[in-house]
Amino acid sequence: DSGVTQTPKHLITATGQRVTLRCSPRSGDLSVYWYQQSLDQGLQFLIQYYNGEERAKGNILERFSAQQFPDLHSELNLSSLELGDSALYFCASSVRGGPGYNEQFFGPGTRLTVL
Amino acid sequence: QQPVQSPQAVILREGEDAVINCSSSKALYSVHWYRQKHGEAPVFLMILLKGGEQKGHEKISASFNEKKQQSSLYLTASQLSYSGTYFCGTEGGNAGGTSYGKLTFGQGTILTVHP
Repeated sequence: DSGVTQTPKHLITATGQRVTLRCSPRSGDLSVYWYQQSLDQGLQFLIQYYNGEERAKGNILERFSAQQFPDLHSELNLSSLELGDSALYFCASSVRGGPGYNEQFFGPGTRLTVL
Repeated sequence: QQPVQSPQAVILREGEDAVINCSSSKALYSVHWYRQKHGEAPVFLMILLKGGEQKGHEKISASFNEKKQQSSLYLTASQLSYSGTYFCGTEGGNAGGTSYGKLTFGQGTILTVHP
């Protein structure tokens, strides 16, 4: 158990819908990262927040958005869902956002299935 | 750009050794190594920083050649529990620091250890 929690564990929804994935980082961690893992694309970095501020952006679609709240939990919002959005979504946290030792600890993931 | 891992897959018997390589075409600040078992979250193994510092699990060893932008993970006296997919994640080291924290993962190396 990494100490990072994610809810829900599974999510099944239809195309065109909007969902929100939630992540609580390990106690003391200020940085949160979101990743998407699919069979054909591997583990893809989406976005990073550090102490409430967006720090880095990766291959995140415009239909997706995220935020980190004052209590440091984070939410990833996915809208106008398409079949291709079906994937495992991981949240990770680290004490710092870099540089230096910023090893990331991953949550159990949310499996999203879009029908 | 995605780092390249080799080999793509390794099959071992318990007690045998293996080396997994990770190569990047761009200058790196750090290399992270993770192991993921099917359906589970990636688990942190090791972080290697530019300059020679590293931190990780006691039973895991790795190297980072900064000049060649290559890292290797050494698994010795393998155990059944070592089975899984190993990912390297690279962190760019540009002067502006804007890529700190953002990890780009390789495609993974599948390690199978048989009794």
